[in-house]
Amino acid sequence: EAQVTQNPRYLITVTGKKLTVTCSQNMNHEYMSWYRQDPGLGLRQIYYSMNVEVTDKGDVPEGYKVSRKEKRNFPLILESPSPNQTSLYFCASSFSEASGVNEQFFGPGTRLTVL
Amino acid sequence: SQQGEEDPQALSIQEGENATMNCSYKTSINNLQWYRQNSGRGLVHLILIRSNEREKHSGRLRVTLDTSKKSSSLLITASRAADTASYFCATAGGYGGSQGNLIFGKGTKLSVKP
Repeated sequence: EAQVTQNPRYLITVTGKKLTVTCSQNMNHEYMSWYRQDPGLGLRQIYYSMNVEVTDKGDVPEGYKVSRKEKRNFPLILESPSPNQTSLYFCASSFSEASGVNEQFFGPGTRLTVL
Repeated sequence: SQQGEEDPQALSIQEGENATMNCSYKTSINNLQWYRQNSGRGLVHLILIRSNEREKHSGRLRVTLDTSKKSSSLLITASRAADTASYFCATAGGYGGSQGNLIFGKGTKLSVKP
């Protein structure tokens, strides 16, 4: 089944404790992206990757890191989480072409709480 | 920056009625995409319209794009209770460095009453 998986689905942690949220897709998509969703603010893009070893900042990259060593995986790293990073996080992937990004397939989300 | 802005923020209709949601954006785009989200779950892609297209249909969905006004509309005809969800537009940048930068609006919350 074609899908985007995220782990963990739920996480409660404390300020400053490094964490990684994994994202994996099995559709051979070039493009992958991370978003956070907060009430009243919609989805905001954190980082995206057009292909392996190619990553770029979205609109809210502060406090996050990513890497794209393999095509299928795109982990999101919070080196020192803070309470303002409490949010619902989504990973997405898509085929991309010269003309841009196509329809995205979203993971189920990771609900992160930082105390 | 929030580029796509949906209007209205919330919409409540009866089953069988049509629902229209609007999206405005600020800069040049390559395409505009509409997504649906059921409460707290992942987004599901509905339809993509490219900057050189004016109208697109998919089942009960009709999307229009007016690049001169930098706006798009999503029409859901003959709505059903199962259409109750939040709807988001997302703009994908043009060629060059902004290609992968997708900007979502804050969404329209649609409630369809049986």
